[in-house]
This record gives sequence, C-alpha cells and structure tokens, in this order.
Amino acid sequence: DTGVSQNPRHKITKRGQNVTFRCDPISEHNRLYWYRQTLGQGPEFLTYFQNEAQLEKSRLLSDRFSAERPKGSFSTLEIQRTEQGDSAMYLCASSAGGGLGSYNEQFFGPGTRLTVL
Amino acid sequence: GESVGLHLPTLSVQEGDNSIINCAYSNSASDYFIWYKQESGKGPQFIIDIRSNMDKRQGQRVTVLLNKTVKHLSLQIAATQPGDSAVYFCAENMPNAGKSTFGDGTTLTVKP
Repeated sequence: DTGVSQNPRHKITKRGQNVTFRCDPISEHNRLYWYRQTLGQGPEFLTYFQNEAQLEKSRLLSDRFSAERPKGSFSTLEIQRTEQGDSAMYLCASSAGGGLGSYNEQFFGPGTRLTVL
Repeated sequence: GESVGLHLPTLSVQEGDNSIINCAYSNSASDYFIWYKQESGKGPQFIIDIRSNMDKRQGQRVTVLLNKTVKHLSLQIAATQPGDSAVYFCAENMPNAGKSTFGDGTTLTVKP
C-alpha cells in the first residue's frame, strides 16, 4: 500500500499525559499536513510542511502541540499535557508541491483517533 | 471569520437516483474548491476539484458546479449507488495557501 499511513490508529490516554502520533506520507510528496476532526465536523487545519520547513501553523495549535518533519519524510505530532478537549481524530495528508502555497490534491491517511480520559 | 458551509446536514436518496449536495462559501478570494468523500473510520477521499475560473467540471458519475455570483458550489452524483453512502465535505483553498478549509459535511444515505 503506497498511501498515507498513520500510527497508531487509536490512542487512549489519561489527562495530563503526553502522546505522539506518526504520519508517513506518500513517498514522492514533499508537502505534509495535519488536521484535527471532531465528530460531525469537517477537518480543521493545524499545520503544514513543505519538505522540512513548517510553513504555517493554525491558532488551534496551542503551545502544547508540536509537529516536526526532521528529514522531510515522516512527521510526528506531539501533544503535551493532554486535555479532554484534545479528544479527536488527527488526520495527516500529503501532496505534491508546486509553487509556494499553490494548491495540489491532498491525499489523506486513515487518521489517529485520540481519546483523553 | 470566513468559512465553507453546507446547506443540509443529511440527504437520503433512492438507489439509482441522482444526488445533489450543496455548499455555500463566503470567501470570494478562494481559487480552488474541492469535494471529498469520507466513509466511516477512514480519512477524506478526494472526489473532484474545480478552479475558480471555471463554472463546471465533470468526472466519472460526478459533476461539480460553481456559481461565483451567489458563492455556491454543488456536487452532483449520477445514478447514486449504495457505495456512495458517506459524508461529503466541500473545501476551499486560498491563493498561496497550501491548506484547505472544510465545511461541516453532508451525510448521504442511499436506500436500496
């Protein structure tokens, strides 16, 4: 399967714990996006990378959230001191890159469902 | 703030009928509009997109219409099948912004 993969698929944690999610994009894609989706809502943009560079971060991405893409391939999203309001599906997508900020079709992974107790 | 929105949260159609899913957007500066399908437990799947300088684009069994005068986007699915049952989202992209802004989705149910 050469699509976007995410691990783990499900994560249950207690409030206050740290969690880390991983995303492996389609290999030739140089852009990688993170979105958050709560039940019944559309995905909300969190951040995106072009290669190693993090080009944009949403105001939704509080200081407790950090994303990295150290080698321009896979990415990790870490949430520190989780809160119950962090419970959501965290989606990763990748796309080919064109000009800076230009649109290209995004391919989504299956998501990581986080439950904070 | 500006956002993409859908007219109806749910739509139920008979198998074989045509479906029309609507979306109203407010950001006239968006240059691309995209329709996604999301099945339970999966990430959104790209269906079709349309650039803002077009008013119609056709794919396999799907057509997207864009009316910039009234800021309206629609997805038409011909001969709807049970496998089309899913949540459908419209999304928009601003120029020079890689991210997409999504609406809240319409749940399509196809009755056999």
